[in-house]
Amino acid sequence: EAQVTQNPRYLITVTGKKLTVTCSQNMNHEYMSWYRQDPGLGLRQIYYSMNVEVTDKGDVPEGYKVSRKEKRNFPLILESPSPNQTSLYFCASSGEGTGNTYEQYFGPGTRLTVT
Amino acid sequence: GQNIDQPTEMTATEGAIVQINCTYQTSGFNGLFWYQQHAGEAPTFLSYNVLDGLEEKGRFSSFLSRSKGYSYLLLKELQMKDSASYLCAVRDNTDKLIFGTGTRLQVFP
Repeated sequence: EAQVTQNPRYLITVTGKKLTVTCSQNMNHEYMSWYRQDPGLGLRQIYYSMNVEVTDKGDVPEGYKVSRKEKRNFPLILESPSPNQTSLYFCASSGEGTGNTYEQYFGPGTRLTVT
Repeated sequence: GQNIDQPTEMTATEGAIVQINCTYQTSGFNGLFWYQQHAGEAPTFLSYNVLDGLEEKGRFSSFLSRSKGYSYLLLKELQMKDSASYLCAVRDNTDKLIFGTGTRLQVFP
């Protein structure tokens, strides 16, 4: 089954304790992206990657890091989490789809709470 | 700056038709997407428009006018399960996907 997986699905942590949220896709997609979703603000892009070893900042990259060592994986790293990073996080991937749509497939989401 | 506007909330009755509008101002245009998102779940793809006109897919249709920077999603024969948020997103000229804040649709019996 074609899918994007994220782990963990839920995480409660404390300020300053480094954490990593994993993301993996099995569709051989070139493009992967991380978003955060907050009430009233919609989905905002954190980082994206056009292919292996190529990453770029999105709209809200401060406080986050990513890496793309393999095509299927795109982990999100919070080196020193702060309470304002409490949010719902989605990983997404896309490639050349039917009719060249490049539709994005989203993972199930990770709900992060930083106290 | 880049901007996508859509109404915050809409209500409708089961069996009715509802139209959700989206206007956009972006750096270039490489396509417009509509996604459906149920509360606490991931967005799922509904439709894609890159040329002007209407795309129909079952009970859902999406329209695009590039000259007006305008799109709408039309939902027919509304069902209770259509209660969800509907996200309009535009791919700009760097292939970045920019999302609106979403329209929360409530369908009542």
